[in-house]
Amino acid sequence: GAVVSQHPSWVICKSGTSVKIECRSLDFQATTMFWYRQFPKQSLMLMATSNEGSKATYEQGVEKDKFLINHASLTLSTLTVTSAHPEDSSFYICSAPRTGSTDTQYFGPGTRLTVL
Amino acid sequence: ILNVEQSPQSLHVQEGDSTNFTCSFPSSNFYALHWYRWETAKSPEALFVMTLNGDEKKKGRISATLNTKEGYSYLYIKGSQPEDSATYLCAFAQNAGNMLTFGGGTRLMVKP
Repeated sequence: GAVVSQHPSWVICKSGTSVKIECRSLDFQATTMFWYRQFPKQSLMLMATSNEGSKATYEQGVEKDKFLINHASLTLSTLTVTSAHPEDSSFYICSAPRTGSTDTQYFGPGTRLTVL
Repeated sequence: ILNVEQSPQSLHVQEGDSTNFTCSFPSSNFYALHWYRWETAKSPEALFVMTLNGDEKKKGRISATLNTKEGYSYLYIKGSQPEDSATYLCAFAQNAGNMLTFGGGTRLMVKP
C-alpha cells in the first residue's frame, strides 16, 4: 500500500518559535496533499490543500501567514507554524491521494504539537 | 459547513460480539463516502471508498453499506476481535476534488 510519513511525530516548543512539519509520500507522487488539525475530542478539520508548484488553498478561518505551506516537490509538503502560541497546540496530520487512484487518501501518522 | 456525524462516540464490546455503527452525511451533492480505521499512534488506514447508492463492500469481517438518498452509511464488524479496537472514521466527499469532511469517529474497544 501507499505510505505517507510525517516528521516530527511529536514536538514541544516555546511560545513565539516556529515549527516545521514535513509530510512525505514515500512510494508515490502526490501533486496534492491535505493538512488537517484535530483538537481534543473533535473531528479532523481540513486546514489547507497543498498544491505542488503553486500556492496552497486555505480553508475559511485558517490564517495563511500563520500556517505556511510549501509543496516544492511531488513527494514533499511542509507546514510551518509561525510564531506558535499555546492555542496552536494540536494534532496535525497530512494526507495525499495517490495520483490515478480512485480517491483513496493515504495519511501520515500525525504530529502532536505542544506550545508552552 | 457540512455536517457529518457518527454514532455512537464510543463502544465497548466483548470479543466475539458483532457490532455496527453509523455515519450520517448530507444527502445532496454526494460524491463519495470513505471509512477509515485509526489505531493509536498509527496512520489512519483506508477501509472503503463508497460511491454508489446501495453499495455494499466487504473486507474480511468488516463490511459497510451506503444509502445516499437518506444520507447514511453503516459499518459492521462480525465477531469482533481485540485487534479491531480502534477509532473508525467516516469522511464525506462532496465533489471530485478529494476534499474530505470527517465525522467525529466511533471509538471501538473490544475486550478479550
